[in-house]
Amino acid sequence: EAGVTQSPTHLIKTRGQQATLRCSPISGHTSVYWYQQALGLGLQFLLWYDEGEERNRGNFPPRFSGRQFPNYSSELNVNALELEDSALYLCASRGLWGTSSYNEQFFGPGTRLTVL
Amino acid sequence: ELKVEQNPLFLSMQEGKNYTIYCNYSTTSDRLYWYRQDPGKSLESLFVLLSNGAVKQEGRLMASLDTKARLSTLHITAAVHDLSATYFCAVPPMNRDDKIIFGKGTRLHILP
Repeated sequence: EAGVTQSPTHLIKTRGQQATLRCSPISGHTSVYWYQQALGLGLQFLLWYDEGEERNRGNFPPRFSGRQFPNYSSELNVNALELEDSALYLCASRGLWGTSSYNEQFFGPGTRLTVL
Repeated sequence: ELKVEQNPLFLSMQEGKNYTIYCNYSTTSDRLYWYRQDPGKSLESLFVLLSNGAVKQEGRLMASLDTKARLSTLHITAAVHDLSATYFCAVPPMNRDDKIIFGKGTRLHILP
C-alpha cells in the first residue's frame, strides 16, 4: 500500500512569492492534515481538510490556505512568502473516524520550503 | 487549550544505557501517539496508546500511558546507536479528531 506522498521535495522561493505544495493521501483516507515544522518550533498544526472542506485551521495568517480535491488530494498555498515561512511542511492523512487503525495520522515525507 | 510537554528536549547517552523520555499533557485525552523522526525525514509512527495503563513494546522501546496523571513515558533499554533520532509524543483533544498537539520533541543522541 502506497503511503502519503508529497511534492515537491524541495522548494526555493523569494520573499513575496507564492508557494504551492501538494499532498496525496493513502488510498481510502479522506482526511488530510498540514503541519509546519520550523526549526526550533516543533510541529505546528496548520489546516485540516475532510471530504473536500476545511474543517479547522491553526493559528496561522490567512495567506496560508489550501484546498482538497474530489480525489482527496490536497494543496497548500502560501502567499506573500516571508523568511520565517522557511520550514518543513508535513502532510498527514487519516481514514474515516473509527475505521482506520486507531484513527492515527500517517505522515508524508514533507516538502522543505526555503524562502530567500 | 491542550498543551503537551516533553522532557528532556535533548538527551545524549552512551550505548547500553537505559533512559526514559517523559510526556505530560494538560487536559483530558483518550489517546497518545509516539513518533520517531530521523534528520530531514518524515514522522514514523511508533506506538498508539489507547487506554489508561496501556503498555506497548517494540524492540528496545517501551511506551506506557497513565491517563489519570496525564503522563506517558518512552523507555529505552540498552540503547544502540540506531535509536538516535527525535522522538515526539502527540495528543489529540478528547473526542475530537480535528488535530493532534505535538510535544517539542526529544532529540536523542546515542554515543557508540
